[in-house]
Amino acid sequence: DIVMTQTPLSLSVTPGQPASISCKSSQSLLHSNGKTYFYWYLQKPGQSPQLLFYEISSRFSGVPDRFSGSGSGTDFTLKISRVEAEDVGVYYCMQAIHLPWTFGQGTKVEIK
Amino acid sequence: EVQLLESGGGLVQPGGSLRLSCAASGFTFSSYAMSWVRQAPGKGLEWVSTISDSGDNTYHADSVKGRFTISRDNSKSTLYLQMNSLRAEDTAVYYCAKGTSSWGYWGQGTLVTVSS
Repeated sequence: DIVMTQTPLSLSVTPGQPASISCKSSQSLLHSNGKTYFYWYLQKPGQSPQLLFYEISSRFSGVPDRFSGSGSGTDFTLKISRVEAEDVGVYYCMQAIHLPWTFGQGTKVEIK
Repeated sequence: EVQLLESGGGLVQPGGSLRLSCAASGFTFSSYAMSWVRQAPGKGLEWVSTISDSGDNTYHADSVKGRFTISRDNSKSTLYLQMNSLRAEDTAVYYCAKGTSSWGYWGQGTLVTVSS
């Protein structure tokens, strides 16, 4: 199975400050079709997970542009340019190039 | 508006069975693969199963293979997860999600508790 490793596992951020989460996969997520099957999800407290980005950097509908996704191959990053209170929750990365789809451990983001 | 509504969760004894349902609306159900993802209490997300749009192809995590079966009824726009031989470690909130892996839409989840 592909192992997804997120760092850090927790993050405390002052509102208005930037934040960054790293995710590394144990194998390349680049498919022969040119697509990279890498995703970011956010689970806000008490809610179902929600999709932030698919294929590394394609923003899902309604995701604020203060969020950005980047990376390639095995190394990926989620950045929040200016954290807001509504951004609290657990962020998960996920791969879907090889079954079973696997998630990172999650990064808990809280506001200082 | 896309809506996914899970049902069928509850308390079941180890070794028992349960069938989860996910009623879909707001999109052409028969045109999309569907998936189940679960989350044990206080833990992270775990992919469980995926089924193709036609239902011809199914995929299961090794942890549930041989015990769980994903299926669908396109005439009823409903997704199912038949869970047999349940174990304590299957205790989780089970979410249905639209799609193969780019899950832009999720249900609210249904809690399955396996305990004697």
